[in-house]
Amino acid sequence: AQKVTQAQTEISVVEKEDVTLDCVYETRDTTYYLFWYKQPPSGELVFLIRRNSFDEQNEISGRYSWNFQKSTSSFNFTITASQVVDSAVYFCALSESRGAGNNRKLIWGLGTSLAVNP
Amino acid sequence: DAGITQSPRHKVTETGTPVTLRCHQTENHRYMYWYRQDPGHGLRLIHYSYGVKDTDKGEVSDGYSVSRSKTEDFLLTLESATSSQTSVYFCAISQGQGLGEAFFGQGTRLTVV
Repeated sequence: AQKVTQAQTEISVVEKEDVTLDCVYETRDTTYYLFWYKQPPSGELVFLIRRNSFDEQNEISGRYSWNFQKSTSSFNFTITASQVVDSAVYFCALSESRGAGNNRKLIWGLGTSLAVNP
Repeated sequence: DAGITQSPRHKVTETGTPVTLRCHQTENHRYMYWYRQDPGHGLRLIHYSYGVKDTDKGEVSDGYSVSRSKTEDFLLTLESATSSQTSVYFCAISQGQGLGEAFFGQGTRLTVV
């Protein structure tokens, strides 16, 4: 069965520290997508990145970077030089196909709550 | 900001009453979703739509129904609200299947007393 595990429930760091959020997934699909979303204290959900299963290149966007490794079924997220504004809950998700056609839906991890302290 | 709005943003209702939440989008995205978010459970899909009048159940659909009569509107109805349906409800939209929910609404905090 498809599953997403975010083993770190809560992380607390001091500003300017680097922090890595772990995401491990399980799937029998050969084609799938992985995602990260951010939910700041205000409550909205913000899409951060989508990565397909055929692209294992690491992605960097400013202070954010993502490391996708199929060999370990992981899609980890690193924030470099963290800032207080990075404080949020971060969700990893996997898109699965189910049944006929392209009936894909997201499987969500339970989230990692990141607190960046000044 | 993405053109997706939920209404109401907050609601308190009594057990046994019907409740309808509205999601409105101006992005012309084909796919729309309703999720609920609860502590310890993360985000769980209630229902989704893949076109006008085309809907399907998610993992926690019991006690909920949906309708989509226009591309831009997706309604979630709690037929007879129960305290277990106290939650934060999110609407989301996406352009394609498997491409992820690109945009989420602001959420509706529903309390059933």
